[in-house]
This record gives sequence, C-alpha cells and structure tokens, in this order.
Amino acid sequence: EVQLVESGGGLVQPGGSLRLSCAASGFTFSSYWMHWVRQAPGKGLVWVSRINNDGTITSYADSVKGRFTISRDNAKNTLYLQMNSLRAEDTAVYFCARSTYSGSRIDYWGQGALVTVSS
Amino acid sequence: DIVMTQSPLSLPVTPGEPAAISCRSSQSLLHSNGNNYLDWYLQRPGQSPQLLIYLGSNRASGVPDRFSGSGSGTDFTLKISRVEAEDVGVYYCMQPLRTPLTFGPGTKVDIK
Repeated sequence: EVQLVESGGGLVQPGGSLRLSCAASGFTFSSYWMHWVRQAPGKGLVWVSRINNDGTITSYADSVKGRFTISRDNAKNTLYLQMNSLRAEDTAVYFCARSTYSGSRIDYWGQGALVTVSS
Repeated sequence: DIVMTQSPLSLPVTPGEPAAISCRSSQSLLHSNGNNYLDWYLQRPGQSPQLLIYLGSNRASGVPDRFSGSGSGTDFTLKISRVEAEDVGVYYCMQPLRTPLTFGPGTKVDIK
C-alpha cells in the first residue's frame, strides 16, 4: 500500500524556518517525481514545488522561489521541504504527493502537515 | 502561467440525479502526443485530494464508472451520471503539463 506521511509542521514566527519531511513507503520511491502542494485554511489547492526522481531537477512556484528548497534522500525514502523566511501567507496544510514523471498525474497524496506562521 | 477556471463554483445536487462540472484552461492542454493533460480530483471534507480522472478522460484505479471525463484543448467536463451521498466534496481540475502546475478554484458539491 502506498503511504506518504508528512511531519515537521507546527507554529513558527514570521521570518522563521521550518523543515517538512515526507516518509514514503509501499512503492519504489526513487522511481517517482515528488511534489509539495499547499492549501490555506478554507482555500483551494496550490502547487508549491516538485523534484524529479533522482533529485537533479527542481521547480518552484514564484511565491516561494528563493525561500523554499525541495530535496530528497532516496536511501531514506524521504522527501523534504526546507522553508525559510516564512510569512503569514505561507500558513497552510502542506501535502506531499507523487507523480510518475514530468507532466503526469499526481496519483497519491499524504494526509498533510499544518504550518502556521504567526507571532 | 496557465490559468484554470471552473463552473459552477457551487453545485447542490439531488442523489440519483446527474451532475456536471466545467473546467477551462487559458492555454491548450493538448500535447503533440495526442494526450490532453488535464486531471480531476475530489477532496472530501477533512481528507486529502484523490485522483478521479487523468489525461482528460481516463478513470483512476478504483473510481466508480459513474464518473467520466471529456473534452480537449481548453474545454473539459467532469460528469457524474447518478450522484451518491459519498460524492460530496470539492472537485478540482488541474493541469500537469507545464510548471507551475495549476489548479482550478474548485467546485463545491453538496446534497440539496
């Protein structure tokens, strides 16, 4: 069974940093592209970032470029999102998700991790 | 960026009746390989999104056949042939063709 389990969420002050992790199991992690998608409270889905299967290609939404860094450790079957210079508007549930290749559908999603940026 | 729009944004439905949601993209999602890169997701209350339809018209594994997707280029439709109570939630279309990947605003489906 495919499982994606996010962790590392919490309350952080504006300007602070946080690192999210996503532990993957039930599939060959190193064969899949991975994504982070966020959802502000009561709002819709917004794509944040993606990384290819070997970690050599990354993409970001303009709203997080230069502040967030996506990475992965295929030996540990884990995806990461390092979030720096956090702003109130980054408050959201962050979902980890997978796709087969660039342009393919996102077929599995984690349960999400809540990040709250507030003083 | 490719902008995705959906209509309606709210859809009260009667169990057993059909329902349809429209999705439009600001650029064509038809690739030279003949595939339309448009996916549909359902997010039930308190849950993560789940894939319903991919490449415009292909049902994902385990998705009931009352769900169908159609369309090409910039205009797409998700249809539910007979709505059931478990179909309530927010439906999103998404284009995975170009970064940034973009979602529609969502259509909230609830029971009348």
